[in-house]
Amino acid sequence: DVKVTQSSRYLVKRTGEKVFLECVQDMDHENMFWYRQDPGLGLRLIYFSYDVKMKEKGDIPEGYSVSREKKERFSLILESASTNQTSMYLCASSLPEPYEQYFGPGTRLTVT
Amino acid sequence: AQSVTQPDIHITVSEGASLELRCNYSYGATPYLFWYVQSPGQGLQLLLKYFSGDTLVQGIKGFEAEFKRSQSSFNLRKPSVHWSDAAEYFCAVGARGYSTLTFGKGTMLLVSP
Repeated sequence: DVKVTQSSRYLVKRTGEKVFLECVQDMDHENMFWYRQDPGLGLRLIYFSYDVKMKEKGDIPEGYSVSREKKERFSLILESASTNQTSMYLCASSLPEPYEQYFGPGTRLTVT
Repeated sequence: AQSVTQPDIHITVSEGASLELRCNYSYGATPYLFWYVQSPGQGLQLLLKYFSGDTLVQGIKGFEAEFKRSQSSFNLRKPSVHWSDAAEYFCAVGARGYSTLTFGKGTMLLVSP
């Protein structure tokens, strides 16, 4: 079974803090994705990566950056957290092409 | 670019009744289609997928979906709903040559006793 893990289930940070969300997958997938999920807005793609050190902007990259130094690990970085970044963050991985994505359990981030 | 519409934000079904969740997509060529389920506070779990071939696909937990090209639809069905099926359901579409999926906004299923 594919397993995608995220470093925290719940996280509370203060405005202006630098925040790191970590995601690890164990199936040697080339693609990894970061989404945020908000009520009524569904899933919105922040960034994705199709290889180590390669990244592409998604629909809402502003205020976020990513890092992929190893194939199995994809990090989402909030350089200076703001209250409007309070959300559920979901990581996913997949093989190349639009094959099915496997999701982690999510990190619920609250910025106060 | 692809797009996905799930017309129903909420649906309430009695336990034991049949279920159909609607999904319409927009894409010029043959799409790759997926249904996911999300229980409260959890990530998304794949229910089923369609890439090609038989237009009626079977998934986990007793779900099935039918691809209808003429109607640009991929509706999810279950003959008899259980209380544990209460969750949010997402339809997604992908395309050959693209790594990303486009998700619908989801349909929340409520199951009444």
